[in-house]
Amino acid sequence: AQSVTQLDSHVSVSEGTPVLLRCNYSSSYSPSLFWYVQHPNKGLQLLLKYTSAATLVKGINGFEAEFKKSETSFHLTKPSAHMSDAAEYFCVVSVGRDDKIIFGKGTRLHILP
Amino acid sequence: DSGVTQTPKHLITATGQRVTLRCSPRSGDLSVYWYQQSLDQGLQFLIQYYNGEERAKGNILERFSAQQFPDLHSELNLSSLELGDSALYFCASSASGTSYNEQFFGPGTRLTVL
Repeated sequence: AQSVTQLDSHVSVSEGTPVLLRCNYSSSYSPSLFWYVQHPNKGLQLLLKYTSAATLVKGINGFEAEFKKSETSFHLTKPSAHMSDAAEYFCVVSVGRDDKIIFGKGTRLHILP
Repeated sequence: DSGVTQTPKHLITATGQRVTLRCSPRSGDLSVYWYQQSLDQGLQFLIQYYNGEERAKGNILERFSAQQFPDLHSELNLSSLELGDSALYFCASSASGTSYNEQFFGPGTRLTVL
């Protein structure tokens, strides 16, 4: 069975400093992995996705994530945080075999001025 | 704007009642997904329809049901409502039926059960 764990429920960083949001997954088969962002009172928007091509995935707004099979991780990073990055971020795993989609519990990112 | 529309935006009702939430997918998308988001449970996948047929089922209660119509819009019916059903309900659509395609989310319907 597959699962996804977001290791931090809240992360605070200063504007201009790097962002790291951690995600670990468990899957019996080759997973597809996604990061979605949810700004306050909005729906979710796809940041990036991994579907067994390049292990380093670049997304929108300067975010990227690296798929590490040996560590079963898919951490989201950004070199320099911006105030507009303040939002909730969800790591998502899906396995094509049974087409189940599992969302992590989310990490709320706070940006300090 | 994702292209997915949901109505109504807000819904306030009483326990025991029944409500219907409506979703129109992006033009050309065949799949519709329903999610429930609450503070204690987080974001939970409820059900997926693909081209009118149920495709996958998540943590959907028996009191809840959904359908997708020939014009591809979908409705989520919630009956015998309880206080714990108060949540934000999202609809998402994608081009195909497989879970590794990008989903486009609507703005959500906020349901309050009093």
